[in-house]
Amino acid sequence: KAGVTQTPRYLIKTRGQQVTLSCSPISGHRSVSWYQQTPGQGLQFLFEYFSETQRNKGNFPGRFSGRQFSNSRSEMNVSTLELGDSALYLCASSARQGAYEQYFGPGTRLTVT
Amino acid sequence: QKEVEQDPGPLSVPEGAIVSLNCTYSNSAFQYFMWYRQYSRKGPELLMYTYSSGNKEDGRFTAQVDKSSKYISLFIRDSQPSDSATYLCAMSEGGSYIPTFGRGTSLIVHP
Repeated sequence: KAGVTQTPRYLIKTRGQQVTLSCSPISGHRSVSWYQQTPGQGLQFLFEYFSETQRNKGNFPGRFSGRQFSNSRSEMNVSTLELGDSALYLCASSARQGAYEQYFGPGTRLTVT
Repeated sequence: QKEVEQDPGPLSVPEGAIVSLNCTYSNSAFQYFMWYRQYSRKGPELLMYTYSSGNKEDGRFTAQVDKSSKYISLFIRDSQPSDSATYLCAMSEGGSYIPTFGRGTSLIVHP
């Protein structure tokens, strides 16, 4: 069974731009969660989507948004990029909402200049 | 002070040693406790999770939770060079899965 895939793997953007990251969960998984990982703050939960609805949300500004499609694929969008948004963005999928058994993708490394 | 504290290391041990990795936390509402392993340039991989206090064993790995002390541990027996990675603890209040992570401890097991 294929694992979680994330595209693109690397991205360089300029301050003020917006970016969209994509995540394809493991086949049959309906829950997708997004995380931000930085050296300073560590791994932080952004949000979880299940059945195309946001179920949980972490403590991030409204510039961070996401959506999930009927095939469970998910996208995350960050608008008006700031230098501090430079991070590894990880996506994780699980079979059900709120499951502790999550499978992470390799992440998208975003650099904001 | 962060809700979850974890020594970043690095922790360097010889092959075959018993490794102890620890986290402390301040939120007494945490009920679920997880340990992840993250290799360089990879996403985290869930090793173990436990509910409330007690011990849980899985192969060479043992997780311990002491809620009275707000302290959790992961022990690795007979450590191998392939165990070299960053180990992250995570906790949540339950009800809905919104985890709070430690910053991770870098472990190096040398042959």
